[in-house]
Amino acid sequence: GESVGLHLPTLSVQEGDNSIINCAYSNSASDYFIWYKQESGKGPQFIIDIRSNMDKRQGQRVTVLLNKTVKHLSLQIAATQPGDSAVYFCAENGEYGNKLVFGAGTILRVKS
Amino acid sequence: DVKVTQSSRYLVKRTGEKVFLECVQDMDHENMFWYRQDPGLGLRLIYFSYDVKMKEKGDIPEGYSVSREKKERFSLILESASTNQTSMYLCASSPAGGLNYGYTFGSGTRLTVV
Repeated sequence: GESVGLHLPTLSVQEGDNSIINCAYSNSASDYFIWYKQESGKGPQFIIDIRSNMDKRQGQRVTVLLNKTVKHLSLQIAATQPGDSAVYFCAENGEYGNKLVFGAGTILRVKS
Repeated sequence: DVKVTQSSRYLVKRTGEKVFLECVQDMDHENMFWYRQDPGLGLRLIYFSYDVKMKEKGDIPEGYSVSREKKERFSLILESASTNQTSMYLCASSPAGGLNYGYTFGSGTRLTVV
């Protein structure tokens, strides 16, 4: 899920399939992580969060996995729907713990 | 429903103009933030404020200033707009004392400087 130049990575999935979106975070001191969803023309919306004392957290149709060893975060979306099409990006609380640092994002496209 | 409201969805301004972007939140949050969002670069922090009349520079403050005279309102000011400030601007807020549920964002203002 890391960006290259000005182009966001894109994940295309078939409706009904599961999606996995990845994020490599930068700061080993981060202990709080969030996934946001941003639909076209809208501001980012909170999806799910996880603290560093956990390695997995589940919500409704979404699961976040945290691997602190390799500083990797993933978002799994079950039974992906057309309404899931959006840009997804992760955020970490960084060195000072009180401000979020955002990744560049991944575009999710759901094919019907 | 809690809200962060940005006054304009779209703005077109001329080079050299002074531009005001307004943001109001109704959640009594102490912290407010201004980001700009550009393709492939993610959200970059311009300025933030932890309290009324307090402001701190973010990662890219050059060419911007802010004002927070009231707790609910955080204004971003482009003193003399330039074409490289064409971008999506996002305001966010959060309560003091922690990042539970992260930030609440506004819908954004897409600014074009011509």
